[in-house]
Amino acid sequence: SQQGEEDPQALSIQEGENATMNCSYKTSINNLQWYRQNSGRGLVHLILIRSNEREKHSGRLRVTLDTSKKSSSLLITASRAADTASYFCATEGAQKLVFGQGTRLTINP
Amino acid sequence: DAGVIQSPRHEVTEMGQEVTLRCKPISGHNSLFWYRQTMMRGLELLIYFNNNVPIDDSGMPEDRFSAKMPNASFSTLKIQPSEPRDSAVYFCASSFAQSRGIQYFGAGTRLSVL
Repeated sequence: SQQGEEDPQALSIQEGENATMNCSYKTSINNLQWYRQNSGRGLVHLILIRSNEREKHSGRLRVTLDTSKKSSSLLITASRAADTASYFCATEGAQKLVFGQGTRLTINP
Repeated sequence: DAGVIQSPRHEVTEMGQEVTLRCKPISGHNSLFWYRQTMMRGLELLIYFNNNVPIDDSGMPEDRFSAKMPNASFSTLKIQPSEPRDSAVYFCASSFAQSRGIQYFGAGTRLSVL
């Protein structure tokens, strides 16, 4: 069974707008990671947030973590066409990462 | 570093044939993971190794699937005999510090079983 559930499943916005994706999970975690997958490619790690952190930034990415609600969000600011991809959250449990189904993000020029 | 290298990139085979997928992890990484990705089931962990030893193969769908890691720089995933429902993209990933670490993915092998 999958630990992380992303919401929405698909998101389409205009270039320059901000994109927000959410992830909910079920059990306690040590950390939560976000990955990006471009069409036809492997997943690429974006950012890791530990369970004792509430917010983390990396360039145009901002990740929040609310362990009381078992949820995380990924915000991409000032989106670009190159941000078009699928985004996955991954939670660490039982010594392995479990990935959600992903959010397919489309940035329209 | 060249990253995680998988071969072949594409494989088309007929039902009943043996299929072998190959993976070379990043040098120095001690954990290796095999995943399968389909539209219906998403990304599923099949098996992972730590220091060349299989740790968890609970995701391997059935006995037709087997994986080996004879040394730190090479792993194979074998399907024998293959079935149409095995059609998927298979990814290999490696990491340095068990599964808590960041995983680095290969480009994947797209398998089509006719």
